Amino acid sequence: EVQLVESGGGLVQPGGSLRLSCAASGFTFNSYWMHWVRQAPGKGLVWVSRVNIDGSFISYADSVKGRFTSSRDNARNTLFLQMNSLRAEDTAVYYCVRGVDGFDLWGQGTMVTVS
Amino acid sequence: DIVMTQTPLSLSVTPGQPASISCKSSQSLLHSDGKTYLYWYLQRPGQPPQLLIYEVSNRFSGVPARFSGSGSGTDFTLKISRVEAEDVGVYHCMQSTQVPLTFGGGTKVEIK
Repeated sequence: EVQLVESGGGLVQPGGSLRLSCAASGFTFNSYWMHWVRQAPGKGLVWVSRVNIDGSFISYADSVKGRFTSSRDNARNTLFLQMNSLRAEDTAVYYCVRGVDGFDLWGQGTMVTVS
Repeated sequence: DIVMTQTPLSLSVTPGQPASISCKSSQSLLHSDGKTYLYWYLQRPGQPPQLLIYEVSNRFSGVPARFSGSGSGTDFTLKISRVEAEDVGVYHCMQSTQVPLTFGGGTKVEIK
């Protein structure tokens, strides 16, 4: 089955860290750019980061630049998001998403609560 | 950053009737490669978003023909020719012409 499964979310204090993982299966992971998108409770979607197919080109939203680090391990078909210096405003569901431009496959998301 | 503005905020539609959602961008979404990277997603309650339309007017695999996208430059529209009960949820437009990728605020569609 083609799917993305996020893990690693949870409750963390302000200033703390979390590492999210996204396990991909059912498709050729190393052929796709991957993204992180977040959604605060009751709010809209916000793009966080993108990683190219070999992890050599990574972009971030200004709101997370310098605090979050995206990476991927193509041998393990896994995308990562290391989140440091977390703030209350980082509280959201974090989605792992596949796509070069349009996002054609989304994970179910993992909730991160900073409080 | 490109700001995406969706209207209306919400829409209540009788089944079988049409619906239309507007998405306006603060800058042209026409890329130097000649493509326009404007997308539409539907997020059903409690679910992640799903891709409906890519590059303005192309229906994604499995998307019913009642969904159509149109527009150019800075003005885009998603139309549902005859709304069905399963179409309820929040519709989001998104641009990826320029980084950062940005989404509209969403339009909630409910059934009367």
